[in-house]
Amino acid sequence: DVKVTQSSRYLVKRTGEKVFLECVQDMDHENMFWYRQDPGLGLRLIYFSYDVKMKEKGDIPEGYSVSREKKERFSLILESASTNQTSMYLCASRKLLGTGGFSYNEQFFGPGTRLTVL
Amino acid sequence: RKEVEQDPGPFNVPEGATVAFNCTYSNSASQSFFWYRQDCRKEPKLLMSVYSSGNEDGRFTAQLNRASQYISLLIRDSKLSDSATYLCVVSNTDKLIFGTGTRLQVFP
Repeated sequence: DVKVTQSSRYLVKRTGEKVFLECVQDMDHENMFWYRQDPGLGLRLIYFSYDVKMKEKGDIPEGYSVSREKKERFSLILESASTNQTSMYLCASRKLLGTGGFSYNEQFFGPGTRLTVL
Repeated sequence: RKEVEQDPGPFNVPEGATVAFNCTYSNSASQSFFWYRQDCRKEPKLLMSVYSSGNEDGRFTAQLNRASQYISLLIRDSKLSDSATYLCVVSNTDKLIFGTGTRLQVFP
């Protein structure tokens, strides 16, 4: 079974703090993703990574950065947390199928981190 | 206009009922379509992919109408355990676009 784990289920931070959210997958997946989920807005893509050392901006990258130094680990960083970053953060991973074209493989999600910024 | 639109519900149905959800998407170039299920306070999980010819998995049937740009999910003989939020998901690149979900509550 694919397993995607996230470092914390619940996190409370103060405005201005630097926050690290860690995600680890154990199935040798190439692609990894960070989303946030908010009521009425659904899941929105923050950043994704095709492979080690690679990163691409998603739809809402402002205020976030990422790091992918190892294949199994994808970290989301809030350089200076703000109250509007209070949200549920979900990490996902996916196996890359074939070369070129699109990969339609299933994305497997971690359990999520509920971050509250005070 | 949102790229993927769903009726948020909730749909409250008795056990044994048949219920259908629709989802519309705005990008005609979309190529892949899925339904994910998300239980309360849990992560989304793939329920089924949606193929052009339609597909069925037990009590669940998914249909795609490219001309009208909508996807449907039909659940027959609803169970209490079907209570969840159902997310419509569309892709035309390596990225997935999620709808906000339709909440289903099945009651005894």
